[in-house]
Amino acid sequence: LAKTTQPISMDSYEGQEVNITCSHNNIATNDYITWYQQFPSQGPRFIIQGYKTKVTNEVASLFIPADRKSSTLSLPRVSLSDTAVYYCLVGGFSSNTGKLIFGQGTTLQVKP
Amino acid sequence: EPEVTQTPSHQVTQMGQEVILRCVPISNHLYFYWYRQILGQKVEFLVSFYNNEISEKSEIFDDQFSVERPDGSNFTLKIRSTKLEDSAMYFCASSEAGGREVEKLFFGSGTQLSVL
Repeated sequence: LAKTTQPISMDSYEGQEVNITCSHNNIATNDYITWYQQFPSQGPRFIIQGYKTKVTNEVASLFIPADRKSSTLSLPRVSLSDTAVYYCLVGGFSSNTGKLIFGQGTTLQVKP
Repeated sequence: EPEVTQTPSHQVTQMGQEVILRCVPISNHLYFYWYRQILGQKVEFLVSFYNNEISEKSEIFDDQFSVERPDGSNFTLKIRSTKLEDSAMYFCASSEAGGREVEKLFFGSGTQLSVL
């Protein structure tokens, strides 16, 4: 699985857009990029997944440049309840056993 | 939205005792997993399970650990003789398919295991 690098922590204020960037220089051709969110004392929760360009759902957008060596999770107009740890994971066809490798993630603190 | 349920939410046990952590995966899912998270550390993969057998396990998942799907709805993790370092939050997860892409895993809320 490709190694990922993301900031350890970020602060934001309610109503702002938050962008969390993840670097994955060794991403393989078959790899997808997936983001999970984890609230304290809860299990991780799938947010979004993409392969290239842009993916949007009701929670977030995921921007992936053409070289796919990085990706940016965009959370529009965050609220206090978006305070959580956000994990970027990269894996693909070869990792089909559900073995997700979580890094330290980015701890997002949203302030009033 | 369907969810993975885990019981108990908290389990306290004495070192050397056996514990069984229970999970009810989402009903139409075929792939089941256990992960754990020691306080302040990363979420770690333990084991994946499909078609009544282990698909993959980590080095953490040694002979003290076992998994079972005793019936059509439950999925259990047994720790035979608990050690202090087994204290952690244990997460069960399930997915619809083992897939040819990184699957969307659904995680439960976890069982906090404290070994005294």
